[in-house]
Amino acid sequence: GDSVTQMEGPVTLSEEAFLTINCTYTATGYPSLFWYVQYPGEGLQLLLKATKADDKGSNKGFEATYRKETTSFHLEKGSVQVSDSAVYFCALSDQGYNTDKLIFGTGTRLQVFP
Amino acid sequence: KAGVTQTPRYLIKTRGQQVTLSCSPISGHRSVSWYQQTPGQGLQFLFEYFSETQRNKGNFPGRFSGRQFSNSRSEMNVSTLELGDSALYLCASRDGSGELGYTFGSGTRLTVV
Repeated sequence: GDSVTQMEGPVTLSEEAFLTINCTYTATGYPSLFWYVQYPGEGLQLLLKATKADDKGSNKGFEATYRKETTSFHLEKGSVQVSDSAVYFCALSDQGYNTDKLIFGTGTRLQVFP
Repeated sequence: KAGVTQTPRYLIKTRGQQVTLSCSPISGHRSVSWYQQTPGQGLQFLFEYFSETQRNKGNFPGRFSGRQFSNSRSEMNVSTLELGDSALYLCASRDGSGELGYTFGSGTRLTVV
């Protein structure tokens, strides 16, 4: 079945460092891809999305490009802040964007220190 | 615009009891999904409802059930609770276009003792 694999955490960075969180997927169809963020004690917030190959999603300085050839959707940010400390989840939906089920990776905890 | 509201936020139940969790979606959203989040299994899909009909169901035992009302509010029920049912239960709603993706609530943290 479809699946998402994320890099193990925690990722520990100093403020203003460059961030990459790797995400690869396995899917039989043409999934839409998402990054969600979870702050302590809260639910998930959609960070960005991409619906087809070569699409780039971006939001709040974060970016991810849908790479079909490498089945990847790595999350990047040029300069992290302490407030970015959270758990990041990569996810896919396997029936296109207008779908009803998300498959999540295991999550990667990001810790940013001043 | 109010977000997705889940009640209660915290719940402690005894093994063997049953529990009902509630979710009020964003006004106008007709699709509601439920997910279970645990440290060991991560985020797992439970079920999805649209216009009072269950459209999709995850790989969970029959003890887990849900329903959706005509106002799109949804409930999930877990009967004969087990210790392993301790988890954060997240509800998410989506509008018809799906353009903005799913909006999640803050969850109900269930502890089974």
